[in-house]
Amino acid sequence: DQQVKQNSPSLSVQEGRISILNCDYTNSMFDYFLWYKKYPAEGPTFLISISSIKDKNEDGRFTVFLNKSAKHLSLHIVPSQPGDSAVYFCAASASGGYQKVTFGIGTKLQVIP
Amino acid sequence: KAGVTQTPRYLIKTRGQQVTLSCSPISGHRSVSWYQQTPGQGLQFLFEYFSETQRNKGNFPGRFSGRQFSNSRSEMNVSTLELGDSALYLCASSLVGNEGGEAFFGQGTRLTVV
Repeated sequence: DQQVKQNSPSLSVQEGRISILNCDYTNSMFDYFLWYKKYPAEGPTFLISISSIKDKNEDGRFTVFLNKSAKHLSLHIVPSQPGDSAVYFCAASASGGYQKVTFGIGTKLQVIP
Repeated sequence: KAGVTQTPRYLIKTRGQQVTLSCSPISGHRSVSWYQQTPGQGLQFLFEYFSETQRNKGNFPGRFSGRQFSNSRSEMNVSTLELGDSALYLCASSLVGNEGGEAFFGQGTRLTVV
């Protein structure tokens, strides 16, 4: 049972445009959400996170939006750059779960120059 | 400072054998988590260790085990290997493990079972 779902396996975007990566979750106990980026032959790198008490968190070109009622979050990258081409993992955890993090299967983003 | 180091990077084993993977966390980090990554399943949580104690465990069979040493280095062991155990095994470290999931990952160990 996939508790964190990334339904788009891949996404292609032109350089300079907005990339929107989506993620849905089913477990109501999740209260902390993260995005990781992964390049080939490297481990995932933490990108941005959001607590369930917020609905938006911004860090430079990256913004994460959380819609708790819909159990949906999204990552916006504006403007997209070729170096953003990677696999993006959505992840979630519950308070007290220490580092027990549930990941989605990832979305491969390709930014076309 | 040095990142998370996993050894070996690549490993080929035969069905039925056992394997031990090693992870050295970032200096000062005391929490180490292990994940299995496969193409169709994404990253799946195996277990988390803090101060030599397993605090959390995922839904994997008992063939998967781990331990942590006093210097925070961690090992995971898989016994009686099956073809389905072929995957990228990732280790992640964090200071105390209550950061909600923010962690630093190593490059992983690619295990192939033949």
